[in-house]
Amino acid sequence: GENVGLHLPTLSVQEGDNSIINCAYSNSASDYFIWYKQESGKGPQFIIDIRSNMDKRQGQRVTVLLNKTVKHLSLQIAATQPGDSAVYFCAELTGANSKLTFGKGITLSVRP
Amino acid sequence: DAGITQSPRHKVTETGTPVTLRCHQTENHRYMYWYRQDPGHGLRLIHYSYGVKDTDKGEVSDGYSVSRSKTEDFLLTLESATSSQTSVYFCAISDGRGSPLHFGNGTRLTVT
Repeated sequence: GENVGLHLPTLSVQEGDNSIINCAYSNSASDYFIWYKQESGKGPQFIIDIRSNMDKRQGQRVTVLLNKTVKHLSLQIAATQPGDSAVYFCAELTGANSKLTFGKGITLSVRP
Repeated sequence: DAGITQSPRHKVTETGTPVTLRCHQTENHRYMYWYRQDPGHGLRLIHYSYGVKDTDKGEVSDGYSVSRSKTEDFLLTLESATSSQTSVYFCAISDGRGSPLHFGNGTRLTVT
């Protein structure tokens, strides 16, 4: 929604560079992770997901890395474009139900 | 937007009045969720549904109720709106555990 980026840390990158957005998750029992992108005035948009039996998954221009040892998730965006400017959230799924826990988010700002 | 329609998109209401927000999906997904998003808090789960007439509470359910009489519709009701319920409300759907949630574009609710 609007102002979703307020109070969030900001990552500023040059257009064309690669971006790395990091997320520390909280529960070692989490077994499914998702990255979302949220633009101003819109709902979160699914980017990529990964299950705990994997440590890397690639999509179009994006790669997610999972390090279960230190409970760390990262999203790499190759050749960052102005359209990548948004707030990015990680989310983790724990337990038998389907409730996700979302991180607070990071604002990605792409400099032209 | 994965076939999700939220209505209304914007609403202003007075303290003490009842408010109902509607989420309609065309994906025939079993799970539906209501989240609120506030600066500094990220996305927080209010209620969710795992089937028709099957609902459960999330982490911030006080002051809210939900109903799901059909697969495609999930209603969120504020019985007596308070200023603390001013927020952006997002509906999400998924077709099962370990599947990503897909979000609508939100309803901005202002309680004066």
